Amino acid sequence: GAVVSQHPSRVICKSGTSVKIECRSLDFQATTMFWYRQFPKQSLMLMATSNEGSKATYEQGVEKDKFLINHASLTLSTLTVTSAHPEDSSFYICSAKPTRGRGGYTFGSGTRLTVV
Amino acid sequence: QKEVEQNSGPLSVPEGAIASLNCTYSDRGSQSFFWYRQYSGKSPELIMSIYSNGDKEDGRFTAQLNKASQYVSLLIRDSQPSDSATYLCAAVPGYSTLTFGKGTMLLVSP
Repeated sequence: GAVVSQHPSRVICKSGTSVKIECRSLDFQATTMFWYRQFPKQSLMLMATSNEGSKATYEQGVEKDKFLINHASLTLSTLTVTSAHPEDSSFYICSAKPTRGRGGYTFGSGTRLTVV
Repeated sequence: QKEVEQNSGPLSVPEGAIASLNCTYSDRGSQSFFWYRQYSGKSPELIMSIYSNGDKEDGRFTAQLNKASQYVSLLIRDSQPSDSATYLCAAVPGYSTLTFGKGTMLLVSP
């Protein structure tokens, strides 16, 4: 089946620093990948849609200058949290859907970000 | 607004019982429907997909779709404590991206 690899799984960083999270589709091509954020005991929130070779589409209320998304190839999308603050601490999850077929989206294992 | 609605629960069932999880969606143009399971602190895992009216069975799981009523359900037979998780219903409205419900928490007691 479709596998999405995400790393790091956990990261602790200091306030003001930047953190990059990688999301790779291992056995399929994905022209579109999605980035979600989930706070404890809350539902998934779509942050942005990452499109290979073009700019990402951000959901309302998500700062595009703070959450930089790069989808440079058909198998890799990255999310960089810039100038991180404690309120950015959350569970970040990527997902991807194979370019062909109508199967469900596959999720990465998620990244637990803690900003201290 | 394209929405997927679920009861947040928790839905509590005893071990061995049938758990019934329900979901409604607002966009009649939705063609694809999915159920994901999410354990606490983990990312969602796809467990069922359904595209046409009727039932689809996979092991202990049965997904049911009724497009006329805009209703999707998931039945879990012989529920086990390890099934305790949050179950997310998702739909693809028209040509839009996957839209999730807020999830229903299922608790299976031994």
